[in-house]
Amino acid sequence: DTAVSQTPKYLVTQMGNDKSIKCEQNLGHDTMYWYKQDSKKFLKIMFSYNNKELIINETVPNRFSPKSPDKAHLNLHINSLELGDSAVYFCASLPQGTNTGELFFGEGSRLTVL
Amino acid sequence: AQSVAQPEDQVNVAEGNPLTVKCTYSVSGNPYLFWYVQYPNRGLQFLLKYITGDNLVKGSYGFEAEFNKSQTSFHLKKPSALVSDSALYFCAVRDRGSTLGRLYFGRGTQLTVWP
Repeated sequence: DTAVSQTPKYLVTQMGNDKSIKCEQNLGHDTMYWYKQDSKKFLKIMFSYNNKELIINETVPNRFSPKSPDKAHLNLHINSLELGDSAVYFCASLPQGTNTGELFFGEGSRLTVL
Repeated sequence: AQSVAQPEDQVNVAEGNPLTVKCTYSVSGNPYLFWYVQYPNRGLQFLLKYITGDNLVKGSYGFEAEFNKSQTSFHLKKPSALVSDSALYFCAVRDRGSTLGRLYFGRGTQLTVWP
C-alpha cells in the first residue's frame, strides 16, 4: 500500500486554466505539506497543515489554495495557471507529536503549463 | 535563519570507490539533520538522520553520515559505491526548537557512479 499518494502523476494544461492535485496519506500522520520542486530540482515548501489547520503558508501567490478536508488529505488547487507554475509538486506527511521525525513523500505530480 | 549548503552540484565516482556527498548547515540552534535520496521521476526517500548521540549515523543502503558540530557539517558517505547509488541526494535541516516540522533542503547533489 502506498503511504502517501498523489493524483494525478502528470498534468498538462494551458495557461489560464484551473487545476487541482490531490494527496492522501494512510499513515495516520497529523501534519501534511506541499513542496514545489523547480526545473533545477530546488525544493521549496509551500504550505503545511496540522490536523486540518493551516500552520505554514510561505510566500506563495494567492492563486494557490490548499484545502484539507480531513487530516489524511491535503489538496492543492491552482487558479489561472502560469508558465512559471510548471514544476513537480510533492506532498509529504510527518508523524505527529515529534519534530525528530522524517517526512514521508509522495511520488510527485508533474505539472506542465503550455 | 536556517540554511543548508551542498557545495557540489555533481559528484562522480567509480563503482567500488568510496563516495562523499558534502553538506554544511546554518541554524540558530542545534539542528536535526537528514539525508534524502531521489531517483529519477520518483519522490524523496529517507536515508538517515542525526538527532542526538553518536556523531556517526548509519542509514539505508549502506550509507552513513557524520555530524561535525564544530564544522557544522553532515557529510554523507559510503565505503563502496554502486552504480545503483546514482541519484540526486538532498541534505535537510530542521531547527530543534521548531514546532512546525519544517525541513529546509539543500539544492541537491547529483551522484553518478560509473561502472
